[in-house]
Order: sequence, then C-alpha cells, then structure tokens
Amino acid sequence: AQKVTQAQTEISVVEKEDVTLDCVYETRDTTYYLFWYKQPPSGELVFLIRRNSFDEQNEISGRYSWNFQKSTSSFNFTITASQVVDSAVYFCALSPGSSNTGKLIFGQGTTLQVKP
Amino acid sequence: EPEVTQTPSHQVTQMGQEVILRCVPISNHLYFYWYRQILGQKVEFLVSFYNNEISEKSEIFDDQFSVERPDGSNFTLKIRSTKLEDSAMYFCASTGQGSIETQYFGPGTRLLVL
Repeated sequence: AQKVTQAQTEISVVEKEDVTLDCVYETRDTTYYLFWYKQPPSGELVFLIRRNSFDEQNEISGRYSWNFQKSTSSFNFTITASQVVDSAVYFCALSPGSSNTGKLIFGQGTTLQVKP
Repeated sequence: EPEVTQTPSHQVTQMGQEVILRCVPISNHLYFYWYRQILGQKVEFLVSFYNNEISEKSEIFDDQFSVERPDGSNFTLKIRSTKLEDSAMYFCASTGQGSIETQYFGPGTRLLVL
C-alpha cells in the first residue's frame, strides 16, 4: 500500500520556538518522491520541497530543514525560530515511482499554530 | 513567475446541476491534475491527464466526472450531476516535462453544493 501518515494533527508553539513536523510514508517502490506543501489560511497549496528516494541528504533552506531517513521511512520537517507567518497546515506527500503519472498521495496534514 | 490559475474561485450550485471548473496550467507544462479537498481533510488525487487523455484516475473519479482540454490553454473538470458530498475545494495542478517533477497548484475553486 502507498500511504503517508502525519500523526500530529495539531501543534501549537510560541514564536521563536523550533518545531518538527513528522511524516512517515509507506511504499514498496524503490523509486519515489517526497514533498512538503504548505497551506496557509488563504487556502492555496505552496510547494516547499521535493526529494527523491536516492537522495538522503538533509536539506536546509533558511529557517526550514528536512530530514529524510529511508531506514525509518520518515521525511520530517523542522522550522527553526518559528514565526506567526508559519501558521498553516503542512502536508507531506508521496509520489510513487510505479505511478508514472506523478500522482501525489497526501498525508492528513498537520496544523501548526504559532502564537506571538 | 508563471502560475496555475483557476476560475471561478467560488461556486455555489444546486444538487443535480452540472458544474465546470476551469484551470489554466502553466503554459509549457504537459501533465495536468485535479485534486479535491473536503473541508478539514486531506488533499485527494482525482485524475491525471497527459497527451489529451486520462493517464490515471482514482476511485473518486466516477462517471459523474470528466476532464477535457478543449484548447491549448484550458483544462476543465466537469461534474455532471452534483451531489452534496461533492462540496469541496478543487485544485488543479500541472508539471513540466516529466510526470515526476514538482506539481504546482492553482489557488483552488471552492464548490458548495446545496
């Protein structure tokens, strides 16, 4: 089965705290792609990162960082020094290599609330 | 920066009516998608479209749904006879030269079926 699990439904932090959003995926494919999207209150889906299954290097982009571990099938997302503008729903998604159409399988999303 | 656009942003319709949701993908993209998100839930894949035909569809995408690329720019999703449970946000997305590339999403159309 192809599946993405985001066990944290809601997280609330105070501004400047670090926060990690968990993502665990299931797939039998050896080739696959993982994504994170942000959905702010306005509703659109904003692309954050794409990672292929052969690249386990962690990535940092400003206050954002991602930790990909194939051994635990996890692709976690950390926001350092969170800000109120980070408040949003964050979705992790999987694109199985066996689906040559590129469809995305989304997790349930984690709602992050950053309080001032 | 090129972006995916969708119209209308909101649509209210009566149960049983037909609706057409419109999308203009990024101009040099080749793969097109529709997803839906019922309020408060996850985003669900509906259908992918490439080379003027459906390449994959989900169980949700039954005979009530159809997609079309009527010209070189628009990509439409038609729901023939809407049901209450069709109320959701519908997102269009597109990717460039390869299906495994990043999908860029439009702002969505919020459909409310009464």
